[in-house]
Amino acid sequence: EAQVTQNPRYLITVTGKKLTVTCSQNMNHEYMSWYRQDPGLGLRQIYYSMNVEVTDKGDVPEGYKVSRKEKRNFPLILESPSPNQTSLYFCASSLRSYNSPLHFGNGTRLTVT
Amino acid sequence: SQQGEEDPQALSIQEGENATMNCSYKTSINNLQWYRQNSGRGLVHLILIRSNEREKHSGRLRVTLDTSKKSSSLLITASRAADTASYFCATAYILTGGGNKLTFGTGTQLKVEL
Repeated sequence: EAQVTQNPRYLITVTGKKLTVTCSQNMNHEYMSWYRQDPGLGLRQIYYSMNVEVTDKGDVPEGYKVSRKEKRNFPLILESPSPNQTSLYFCASSLRSYNSPLHFGNGTRLTVT
Repeated sequence: SQQGEEDPQALSIQEGENATMNCSYKTSINNLQWYRQNSGRGLVHLILIRSNEREKHSGRLRVTLDTSKKSSSLLITASRAADTASYFCATAYILTGGGNKLTFGTGTQLKVEL
């Protein structure tokens, strides 16, 4: 089944404790992206990747890192999480960037205390 | 502010009625996409309409695009309780300095009551 898989689904952590949210897609998509969703603000892009080893900042990249060493994986790293990073995070992929439909993972609800 | 903004923010209708949601945007676009989100789950793509298209259909969904008014509408006909969800428009546009961007609106919450 074609899908984008995010893990974990829920995560509660403390300020400053490094964490990684994994994202994997099995559709051989070139484009992958991370979003955060907050009430009243819609979806905001954190980072995106046009292909392996090609990543770029989105609208809200501060406090986040990403890597794209393999085509299928695009992990999101929070080196030192803070409470303002408490949010619902989505990974998405598409065949050809903005001209193709995005396929979303089921989300990771992160709480930083 | 958001490139794409949906209207209304919330909509409540009876099962069997039609639901119409609108999206307005500010700059010229390559395409406009509609997504559905059920209760905190991942977004699901519904329809992509390109800037040179005026109307597209998919099952009970009808999307129109008016580039002169910089607006789009999503019509769901004969709505069902299962259509209860948030609906988002996303606009793909070219940045001034080059490159493309896809921006999501804040969504319309649709509730279909039995």
